[in-house]
Amino acid sequence: DGGITQSPKYLFRKEGQNVTLSCEQNLNHDAMYWYRQDPGQGLRLIYYSQIVNDFQKGDIAEGYSVSREKKESFPLTVTSAQKNPTAFYLCASSTTGGIEAFFGQGTRLTVV
Amino acid sequence: AQSVTQLDSQVPVFEEAPVELRCNYSSSVSVYLFWYVQYPNQGLQLLLKYLSGSTLVKGINGFEAEFNKSQTSFHLRKPSVHISDTAEYFCAVSGGGATNKLIFGTGTLLAVQP
Repeated sequence: DGGITQSPKYLFRKEGQNVTLSCEQNLNHDAMYWYRQDPGQGLRLIYYSQIVNDFQKGDIAEGYSVSREKKESFPLTVTSAQKNPTAFYLCASSTTGGIEAFFGQGTRLTVV
Repeated sequence: AQSVTQLDSQVPVFEEAPVELRCNYSSSVSVYLFWYVQYPNQGLQLLLKYLSGSTLVKGINGFEAEFNKSQTSFHLRKPSVHISDTAEYFCAVSGGGATNKLIFGTGTLLAVQP
């Protein structure tokens, strides 16, 4: 079945460590997105990519980095510069100019 | 710039009662509008979308929404809710085009009580 796979579902890290969240899709979508979700704040866009080897900052990119070396993959690294990294992270994909975004099941990151 | 306002953070309702979740948007261009549902610790699932045409849009699980351009609203309704409808509901807007950036509201928790 086609879809978006995020791994792991739960992730714990010590403060000051970088951590990478995985997002893979087999929908043949050109565009991929990372959102951060905090209680009461909805979803905020971190980074998005419309084509391989190209990506743009969203509204809250500080402290995060991404790469897009393959069409299927869009990993997100939460760096030690991110002041408040504990959150639920959602990856999505769509066709370029597409109307509907499809979401993965999310990764809950807890930094202790 | 586009924005979405969901006025109610939580809506309690009894089972089999009707419900309306409110959504207002702001945009200087034509928009596409969406409602997504999220169950605990899961991703988002599309309920319905308005792209063009009929202003009354029907979605999955018996939900429907009406696009009102003059009031810049896209309220979600269901005539009779079930316990299983308890979830968080997000309204979103997109200007379409190459970037297709979805802008989300802050969400409404629908709490269905027996």
